[in-house]
Amino acid sequence: DTAVSQTPKYLVTQMGNDKSIKCEQNLGHDTMYWYKQDSKKFLKIMFSYNNKELIINETVPNRFSPKSPDKAHLNLHINSLELGDSAVYFCASSLPSGGAYEQFFGPGTRLTVL
Amino acid sequence: EDKVVQSPLSLVVHEGDTVTLNCSYEVTNFRSLLWYKQEKKAPTFLFMLTSSGIEKKSGRLSSILDKKELFSILNITATQTGDSAVYLCAVRNSGGYQKVTFGTGTKLQVIP
Repeated sequence: DTAVSQTPKYLVTQMGNDKSIKCEQNLGHDTMYWYKQDSKKFLKIMFSYNNKELIINETVPNRFSPKSPDKAHLNLHINSLELGDSAVYFCASSLPSGGAYEQFFGPGTRLTVL
Repeated sequence: EDKVVQSPLSLVVHEGDTVTLNCSYEVTNFRSLLWYKQEKKAPTFLFMLTSSGIEKKSGRLSSILDKKELFSILNITATQTGDSAVYLCAVRNSGGYQKVTFGTGTKLQVIP
């Protein structure tokens, strides 16, 4: 299936732990994103990568570090997890960043920090 | 800072009703406006609008953009319970970063 996939779908962990979320797209897109959606359903962009290069880095704690090994993958590593990190994290991808293209979203990773 | 405001925040209607969802925006170097539907999981794409006054239509859904007044509307006619979802509006700028800013969404509930 052509899609944006994320693993894991659910992640429950203790405060202070380090965790990673993986994202892969097989749509041939060259731009990938990470969004955080809070309990009120507000989607806020965190990072965007174009051809493995960081192009958007919003005001996000430096405990969050994205890594793009290639155009099809964008992973998110989170150090020293805090309660406020609990949210749904969505990965998305789109066609070349110079155009007016829609984003395709992954299924989300629900992170719960206890 | 780019800003997207959606109204109403939530809406309850009966099946068969027609609804209009609103989205107003302030963005530097506007490139496009996007509408998404979010049920339980990921947002799914509905429309992308780049030009004023041209209606996009898909079945019972339609949308139009007014770039002069900086807003868009999403219409749903003859609503069905399957239309119940959060509808998200987003704007993309044309700057070097191609940033996409989402609104807070309108939660629509269609009751039988």
